[in-house]
Amino acid sequence: GENVEQHPSTLSVQEGDSAVIKCTYSDSASNYFPWYKQELGKGPQLIIDIRSNVGEKKDQRIAVTLNKTAKHFSLHITETQPEDSAVYFCAAVYSGGGADGLTFGKGTHLIIQP
Amino acid sequence: DTAVSQTPKYLVTQMGNDKSIKCEQNLGHDTMYWYKQDSKKFLKIMFSYNNKELIINETVPNRFSPKSPDKAHLNLHINSLELGDSAVYFCASSPRDSGNTIYFGEGSWLTVV
Repeated sequence: GENVEQHPSTLSVQEGDSAVIKCTYSDSASNYFPWYKQELGKGPQLIIDIRSNVGEKKDQRIAVTLNKTAKHFSLHITETQPEDSAVYFCAAVYSGGGADGLTFGKGTHLIIQP
Repeated sequence: DTAVSQTPKYLVTQMGNDKSIKCEQNLGHDTMYWYKQDSKKFLKIMFSYNNKELIINETVPNRFSPKSPDKAHLNLHINSLELGDSAVYFCASSPRDSGNTIYFGEGSWLTVV
């Protein structure tokens, strides 16, 4: 089955700086890679996703890059703000294989220092 | 107009009891899931259902039994609760398969004492 590794487990950055979270996956068949943000006491919410036919995707201050050869993908947050503080999860799955469910990384606790 | 709603949000119960968590989605999705989040925040899939049919049953003890009366509902029943069952349980749904956005509920905090 799929195995997703995520680093770092905790990331502290100054407000206004950039944050980068990295993930690797094991199953070369995986072709869908979402990122979720979980705020305290809430369920995870999708913030951006990428499919394997695309190398990069951007949505305002958030971008995701994918390297299929190396089997890793990264989340980039620029101009960080206090409301970016949360736990971020990467995930991977083979889309089209049925309702297999996402395999999540172990999460990164992002702390934005004012 | 909550998309994925689950009840109760908090549940404190004694070891050995049986409890249920209910989940409903009003998004018209075909697939529903139960995920467990442990104290270290690790999210792991437990079950998935597609149109009321069980698709995935991960290595979860038989004490956990999902029930899907229709495709908008997926309830989780837990028998003979143990201390190790304490966790946050998330219900989720998606339109077709996992390659589409998965929408999570707000979670049910289960504490077994």
